[in-house]
Amino acid sequence: AQSVSQHNHHVILSEAASLELGCNYSYGGTVNLFWYVQYPGQHLQLLLKYFSGDPLVKGIKGFEAEFIKSKFSFNLRKPSVQWSDTAEYFCAVTPPNSGGYQKVTFGTGTKLQVIP
Amino acid sequence: GAVVSQHPSRVICKSGTSVKIECRSLDFQATTMFWYRQFPKQSLMLMATSNEGSKATYEQGVEKDKFLINHASLTLSTLTVTSAHPEDSSFYICSASSTENQPQHFGDGTRLSIL
Repeated sequence: AQSVSQHNHHVILSEAASLELGCNYSYGGTVNLFWYVQYPGQHLQLLLKYFSGDPLVKGIKGFEAEFIKSKFSFNLRKPSVQWSDTAEYFCAVTPPNSGGYQKVTFGTGTKLQVIP
Repeated sequence: GAVVSQHPSRVICKSGTSVKIECRSLDFQATTMFWYRQFPKQSLMLMATSNEGSKATYEQGVEKDKFLINHASLTLSTLTVTSAHPEDSSFYICSASSTENQPQHFGDGTRLSIL
């Protein structure tokens, strides 16, 4: 069975600070990888995804994530955070035979608080 | 586009009551809908996958007689928690996708509290 670990449960940063949120997964094969974001009072939204190809993936709002197969990691990064990035971030995986988006396994989430 | 509406957003009821939660895709046809459950400080756990017009597929450990799922149309799926008890209190989230290789779009969730 696949699993996802997010080791940072709550991160507090000042505006303009750099962000890196950790995500590690366990699965005995190739997976599809995602980061979702949930802004306060809103539903989950897809931030970025990796299926194959360039392991450095760029998403919306200046976010990027790097897939490192040897480390089973898919960390999320942003060079300079803004107050509007305050949200909860979920790492997720799906197995390769799921059509891409089905059978999602989510991590426990990381709450990011950006202080103006 | 791709809006999923979930209703109600919050419900409080007595133990033994059955509660129905609706999930609607407002601007697209959802051949597949998903139901998740989230306990405090835990991740979203997939409960079941429903395809329009067929029986839902439940994940291991989820009681299908307890959590009845109906996906009778391409825009509506319902989750009924039958004879709810306090341990069923949780945050329930639905999502929908037009096909299996398209992204899931999530609803805002339903906070269920059983007294």
